[in-house]
Amino acid sequence: AQSVTQLDSQVPVFEEAPVELRCNYSSSVSVYLFWYVQYPNQGLQLLLKYLSGSTLVKGINGFEAEFNKSQTSFHLRKPSVHISDTAEYFCAVLFRGNQFYFGTGTSLTVIP
Amino acid sequence: DTEVTQTPKHLVMGMTNKKSLKCEQHMGHRAMYWYKQKAKKPPELMFVYSYEKLSINESVPSRFSPECPNSSLLNLHLHALQPEDSALYLCASSQGVSDREGGYTFGSGTRLTVV
Repeated sequence: AQSVTQLDSQVPVFEEAPVELRCNYSSSVSVYLFWYVQYPNQGLQLLLKYLSGSTLVKGINGFEAEFNKSQTSFHLRKPSVHISDTAEYFCAVLFRGNQFYFGTGTSLTVIP
Repeated sequence: DTEVTQTPKHLVMGMTNKKSLKCEQHMGHRAMYWYKQKAKKPPELMFVYSYEKLSINESVPSRFSPECPNSSLLNLHLHALQPEDSALYLCASSQGVSDREGGYTFGSGTRLTVV
């Protein structure tokens, strides 16, 4: 069965520090990869996506993610976080066979 | 227009009430979705409409009834809900069910409380 794993349910980090949110998925066969952000009482907003090409993908709000096929990972990074980055982050994968799965989410809390 | 608009933003309803949630998009997307989300959990797929036809129903109880009047509108009719149905209901759209490489565009959701 396909799966998307976000091992860290909560990540506290101090303001202006770097952060990495981890995402692993179950299959190395052709996939499309996404990161979404959800601010409190809001819907999900697409941060970035990997479809093909360069394994380093840049998104909105200074976030970037790196696709690693051999490790079946798609970790999200930001070199310096702001208070406004406090939110829930969801990794998502569109697997071959058109199956779309969300990870369980990582709650990022930026501490002043 | 790159938005999905949901109304109302908040809804409180009794267990005997009938209400409807509305969703609208004008991006020309041919697939629309209803998701249910509990706090601190990922969205759970409820229904998928493709070209205005229901293509997926994820074994959702009949007290939830979807409707797609046209390619831009998606409704979710609610009747005789239970308190455990309280959640954030999200509408989303994509180019097509078989064309989701662009990802979903989500609305901001309706926060539903059943009392």
